[in-house]
Amino acid sequence: LAKTTQPISMDSYEGQEVNITCSHNNIATNDYITWYQQFPSQGPRFIIQGYKTKVTNEVASLFIPADRKSSTLSLPRVSLSDTAVYYCLVGKPGGSYIPTFGRGTSLIVHP
Amino acid sequence: ETGVTQTPRHLVMGMTNKKSLKCEQHLGHNAMYWYKQSAKKPLELMFVYSLEERVENNSVPSRFSPECPNSSHLFLHLHTLQPEDSALYLCASSQDLGNTGELFFGEGSRLTVL
Repeated sequence: LAKTTQPISMDSYEGQEVNITCSHNNIATNDYITWYQQFPSQGPRFIIQGYKTKVTNEVASLFIPADRKSSTLSLPRVSLSDTAVYYCLVGKPGGSYIPTFGRGTSLIVHP
Repeated sequence: ETGVTQTPRHLVMGMTNKKSLKCEQHLGHNAMYWYKQSAKKPLELMFVYSLEERVENNSVPSRFSPECPNSSHLFLHLHTLQPEDSALYLCASSQDLGNTGELFFGEGSRLTVL
């Protein structure tokens, strides 16, 4: 199982772009990268998933370099409501994969 | 609304009580999970069910007893808990076990053990 490393916390201000990087040096060939967002006292919510290069949806973008040893979640123009914990998960499809969450990155957006 | 409903949302119980947490998913998923989240700690996986069979028991004390009567329902039976068991208990489901696709979480059951 690929181990992930993220910053424990980040601070930003409304309207700024926020980039959260996750390191996964021992990512396997078939592993996918998935990001979740969790607000206090709620369950995590899926944000985005990717395998390589760039993925974009209405919420965020995910950048994955060619070596795939890291990935960056990009949140454009954050607002106060983006204050949450963001988790990076790495895993491959298959019968033994069970999503395991680390400590995540606590993002605080200031006015 | 994620399609996963947990009840009760809040529960206070004494150490000698017996209570149950309930999770129901309306997504037609085949895999269901219980996670525990204590204050300022990461989510801890407790149990995993696939097609109503338990496939993972992550060294959870026997005072927590899961039950999956069908693929839509998951219970966590609680008895003789300790104050350190106070936490947010989260239920999740996914289409299948081993599918790296989206996990859908409920809003959680906040448990306080006195």
